[in-house]
Amino acid sequence: TQLLEQSPQFLSIQEGENLTVYCNSSSVFSSLQWYRQEPGEGPVLLVTVVTGGEVKKLKRLTFQFGDARKDSSLHITAAQPGDTGLYLCAGAPSNQGGKLIFGQGTELSVKP
Amino acid sequence: DSGVTQTPKHLITATGQRVTLRCSPRSGDLSVYWYQQSLDQGLQFLIQYYNGEERAKGNILERFSAQQFPDLHSELNLSSLELGDSALYFCASSVGGLAGQETQYFGPGTRLLVL
Repeated sequence: TQLLEQSPQFLSIQEGENLTVYCNSSSVFSSLQWYRQEPGEGPVLLVTVVTGGEVKKLKRLTFQFGDARKDSSLHITAAQPGDTGLYLCAGAPSNQGGKLIFGQGTELSVKP
Repeated sequence: DSGVTQTPKHLITATGQRVTLRCSPRSGDLSVYWYQQSLDQGLQFLIQYYNGEERAKGNILERFSAQQFPDLHSELNLSSLELGDSALYFCASSVGGLAGQETQYFGPGTRLLVL
């Protein structure tokens, strides 16, 4: 069974601090995605990384896919209260159609 | 608004009952995915349909079934409901069939409470 372990589960920080969320697995994924979910809503895709070692930036968010395509990280610089939410990583196993395996999520709270 | 609609928004029922959740994908999307989200299990992939055919299967219980109709809307049927089936059920859609390579748009979810 392929699993994605996400850490930390909870993170409470002050506005302006930096943070990193990790997503690890013993399995290789053909791609990895990061989502953000707000209460009462469905997850919204932030980014997709496909190539091992790939780094993508989205304003203050930096996403990295591990060289072996087994892990990923999300780094937020100078966090703002608007970044508060549940962050989920999701991996696509090879040759399994549209199946996505989600991590447990990181609940981020950024206090002003 | 993702363009994916789900009905009903809330559902309260009793153990042993059967319910049907409905999903309409975004216009032009051929794939529909169903997910279950609970506090202890997180977001779990249940099943995917692509243009009416089952494409991928996750940890979907035998008591659960789904289908995608010719107009591409989908229904998730949950039967012999148990307390542990209480969860948020999300539907998502995408243009093609490779969720990990393209954008998947999630609906607002159906909150199911089994009493």
